Amino acid sequence: GAGVSQSPRYKVAKRGQDVALRCDPISGHVSLFWYQQALGQGPEFLTYFQNEAQLDKSGLPSDRFFAERPEGSVSTLKIQRTQQEDSAVYLCASSLRLAYNEQFFGPGTRLTVL
Amino acid sequence: AQKVTQAQTEISVVEKEDVTLDCVYETRDTTYYLFWYKQPPSGELVFLIRRNSFDEQNEISGRYSWNFQKSTSSFNFTITASQVVDSAVYFCALRGNQGGKLIFGQGTELSVKP
Repeated sequence: GAGVSQSPRYKVAKRGQDVALRCDPISGHVSLFWYQQALGQGPEFLTYFQNEAQLDKSGLPSDRFFAERPEGSVSTLKIQRTQQEDSAVYLCASSLRLAYNEQFFGPGTRLTVL
Repeated sequence: AQKVTQAQTEISVVEKEDVTLDCVYETRDTTYYLFWYKQPPSGELVFLIRRNSFDEQNEISGRYSWNFQKSTSSFNFTITASQVVDSAVYFCALRGNQGGKLIFGQGTELSVKP
């Protein structure tokens, strides 16, 4: 079956621009997670959803970051007024249910802010 | 606080050698879950294994084996008879008993040379 897909795969933005990153989870997966991975580092948690409810957004680095999952399926991570320090790979993962289950990751979106 | 430490930043071996990747974790939760993921050069994180804190049985899957020891808070990963295709960055991760976020280590880059 289809895995987690993300688009675009690469995004170059000028400092100050807004960007929107999309994630399509595995069909039927209730939980969806966003992570940020800086070069040479492990992924760091940003936020997660169970269905359309955003249950934890403690990892979002600033109020410029916003995520939504309005219908409990596709999710969008939006970054307003991008800064150079936002340059990273943004990973989306989904799992069948929140508890006990492994998370399956998409290929990521590499964001470069100039 | 929860933390995962992978002290080995890079490991280089010759094909057919055995190699062990170390993972040490910290958590105050009595129930938690440990994971290993592989990140090949293509970038997509691939799930390898999940372990529950109440199950200390070691596991073997083909050339891969995992040694979970609660007494030393370690969850080490051994690849037997390594192959060039095993070259990747390997991440150990921890999830507590509340919330779904994964706490990743810094990763160990494994290079297997022919």
